Amino acid sequence: ETGVTQSPTHLIKTRGQQVTLRCSSQSGHNTVSWYQQALGQGPQFIFQYYREEENGRGNFPPRFSGLQFPNYSSELNVNALELDDSALYLCASSLTSGRGTGELFFGEGSRLTVL
Amino acid sequence: GNSVTQMEGPVTLSEEAFLTINCTYTATGYPSLFWYVQYPGEGLQLLLKATKADDKGSNKGFEATYRKETTSFHLEKGSVQVSDSAVYFCALSDQGASKIIFGSGTRLSIRP
Repeated sequence: ETGVTQSPTHLIKTRGQQVTLRCSSQSGHNTVSWYQQALGQGPQFIFQYYREEENGRGNFPPRFSGLQFPNYSSELNVNALELDDSALYLCASSLTSGRGTGELFFGEGSRLTVL
Repeated sequence: GNSVTQMEGPVTLSEEAFLTINCTYTATGYPSLFWYVQYPGEGLQLLLKATKADDKGSNKGFEATYRKETTSFHLEKGSVQVSDSAVYFCALSDQGASKIIFGSGTRLSIRP
């Protein structure tokens, strides 16, 4: 069983640039969630995708957007990067079976530094 | 809104000591409660969970009981090992809700 994989593992951008982060979900999972984890903090929910549709969103501006593909992999896009966007971005996959979200399985994250 | 508050770290203990990490929550409805763990160099992973009041979650010697009357879900272990050194996150999920809300994490270090 392949786990959740994320790419890239590390990247550096400058303010105003755009970034795309990628996630391959665990085999058999149909739901992907994205979280932002600032240094020394707990993960903050950005949004979730279920069957290619956004299925819940946290308190993040519209410049944070995402996609889910037919194979359930996902992308997180952030436009007009700000210094405060520097963080570890975590992807988590799960199997939603109609009775709520199941256990989350996390990748190791993509560490973004904005200069 | 819903939130989770857990004790601040770092917590440093000697091997075989008793561990308690406090966690309280604020939520409407009847959330499920979780403890996630992040070992050095690894991704977050579920340690244990409880889905209703008075349920006890347990795994790897860790336990936590869902206490609705005190809105708490404290993590305990009777005898910690060096390999338990990690960051522990308390979290909650509303029934049917798509997101999980995490606490700020507690870093645990165990001395040999």
